[in-house]
Amino acid sequence: DAGVTQSPTHLIKTRGQQVTLRCSPKSGHDTVSWYQQALGQGPQFIFQYYEEEERQRGNFPDRFSGHQFPNYSSELNVNALLLGDSALYLCASSFASGEETQYFGPGTRLLVL
Amino acid sequence: GESVGLHLPTLSVQEGDNSIINCAYSNSASDYFIWYKQESGKGPQFIIDIRSNMDKRQGQRVTVLLNKTVKHLSLQIAATQPGDSAVYFCAEGQGGSEKLVFGKGTKLTVNP
Repeated sequence: DAGVTQSPTHLIKTRGQQVTLRCSPKSGHDTVSWYQQALGQGPQFIFQYYEEEERQRGNFPDRFSGHQFPNYSSELNVNALLLGDSALYLCASSFASGEETQYFGPGTRLLVL
Repeated sequence: GESVGLHLPTLSVQEGDNSIINCAYSNSASDYFIWYKQESGKGPQFIIDIRSNMDKRQGQRVTVLLNKTVKHLSLQIAATQPGDSAVYFCAEGQGGSEKLVFGKGTKLTVNP
């Protein structure tokens, strides 16, 4: 049973660039949530996707956008990168029914120079 | 506000001792609480969860206690092992798949 996978594992970008991160949910899960984790902090909720639509959103600017595909995989896009966007980006998957908790992937480490 | 906090940022214990990690939450509407373990360079790993209709839940070597009166959550690890060394986060939510609010974490160090 495959767990949550994310790609790439590491990424270096410069300010102003755009980045796309990818996530494949755990087998059987239909909901994907994205979190940003700054160094030494707990993860912060960015948004959640279900049925290919954004269902919930945290306090992140519109530069952060996402997409969910029919196979439930998801992408996180960040435009006009800022130095402060450097963080570990985590994807978590779950069932929409709410009967099961969120399981996290290994994350993508983004460094913005 | 919407936040989950932890009482202690670091905890150091001897191998074989029991560990207790504490967490305070502020959202009275939260009805679902989870403990995650995060090792360096890895994503959070689910340990145990508890819903608000319970006050205690046990897993393998771990127990979570929930005190809704004082909005307090704790994780007890029995016979702590070096492999338990990690940062532990509590998180709160409403329902199992809604957004989770995390605290800053407690770093547990197990000394041999």
